[in-house]
Amino acid sequence: QVQLVQSGSELKKPGASVKVSCKTSGYTFTNNAMNWVRQAPGQGLEWMGWINTNTGNPTYVQGFTGRFVFSLDTSVTTAYLQISSLKAEDTAVYYCARDGKAGAIFDYWGQGTLVTVSS
Amino acid sequence: ATQMTQSPSSLSASVGDRVTITCRASQGIRNDLGWYQQRPGKAPKLLIYAASSLQSGVPSRFSGSGFGTDFTLTISSLQPEDFATYYCLQDNNYPRTFGQGTKVDIK
Repeated sequence: QVQLVQSGSELKKPGASVKVSCKTSGYTFTNNAMNWVRQAPGQGLEWMGWINTNTGNPTYVQGFTGRFVFSLDTSVTTAYLQISSLKAEDTAVYYCARDGKAGAIFDYWGQGTLVTVSS
Repeated sequence: ATQMTQSPSSLSASVGDRVTITCRASQGIRNDLGWYQQRPGKAPKLLIYAASSLQSGVPSRFSGSGFGTDFTLTISSLQPEDFATYYCLQDNNYPRTFGQGTKVDIK
């Protein structure tokens, strides 16, 4: 069965970096694009962008450029989100979510990774 | 960006009730809309895609309809496990945008 398993919660200080992983299994990794979604505490869902798992080409939504980097390691079928120069407002749960076929966008999700930025 | 406006923002209903949530797009999005359920502390789950197609494994009490700018999610007979927040998401215009969510409380 399709599974997306994310790395555990992180506590970081302002200015540090964090790398969140999303390990996939149960399907051919390069057949489906991977997305990243942010959810700040008590807030709604926000699409950050996506990465083409065939080419590795990332696309970032406005507001998630510069400090945010999507990457892949196809040898271990894993997607990554790296955030640098962390700020308190980056505190959120970050989800990876796979694009399905035939319009079934975000058909499978990781369980989420809480990143807390605090001094 | 296409704005997605859900209504109501929250509602309380009893087990067995029929519940309808609406989502309005600020511009036409054909049927490029999904509905997601998020239980507290959990990841969202896809319920409906392409406005009216039921995702595999989702109970048939969930249904979706609409085209263009106005969409609805209906739960035909609310169950206790349906206590959750529901989001719509449009995928027609870049960037993809979510509605603000509708929280469903069980009376």
